[in-house]
Amino acid sequence: GAVVSQHPSWVICKSGTSVKIECRSLDFQATTMFWYRQFPKQSLMLMATSNEGSKATYEQGVEKDKFLINHASLTLSTLTVTSAHPEDSSFYICSVSTGLAEVDEQFFGPGTRLTVL
Amino acid sequence: GQNIDQPTEMTATEGAIVQINCTYQTSGFNGLFWYQQHAGEAPTFLSYNVLDGLEEKGRFSSFLSRSKGYSYLLLKELQMKDSASYLCAPLDSNYQLIWGAGTKLIIKP
Repeated sequence: GAVVSQHPSWVICKSGTSVKIECRSLDFQATTMFWYRQFPKQSLMLMATSNEGSKATYEQGVEKDKFLINHASLTLSTLTVTSAHPEDSSFYICSVSTGLAEVDEQFFGPGTRLTVL
Repeated sequence: GQNIDQPTEMTATEGAIVQINCTYQTSGFNGLFWYQQHAGEAPTFLSYNVLDGLEEKGRFSSFLSRSKGYSYLLLKELQMKDSASYLCAPLDSNYQLIWGAGTKLIIKP
């Protein structure tokens, strides 16, 4: 399977600051990347789907101006949480798929735990 | 609407067998994934079923009945490291994964 990394693993920031999370596909070219958020004891919530070189598709209820996604290359996608607030504290996980088949296993990164004070 | 129903928590004994059930309602269906998620970690892939029947993979097996909207994950010879949440995730007509909250499995010695 694909190896996916995320950086940072943990981040603590003050309310009002912006935080950038990187997702890297280390051993294959990821045409499609997904960003999820997971609150404690809740299910994964898809935030957006991004395809390399095009704008991300955001899920209903996710503010695209607050959660900026950039998928500039086949190996890197970034999620920037702008003007973070305590309610944005969550576990953010990216996943990748080749996008070559309609049914593709998703390979997940290790996640980034964000705490906003 | 789309809905996933799994037990919230199950407890089993090391060395035993446990079956985790999942019923789902989705807009269209293109198969179903099972993922394992240890606390504080990201999910890892366990299985994918698209046809009815049982798929066996080592100690883990997954079953699907499309007509019943039902799947189960069977774990044999339980080990302490199997303590985790198990997520049932069907693919809808748009090939989007629909995630439930998962079943937390606790293994006791």
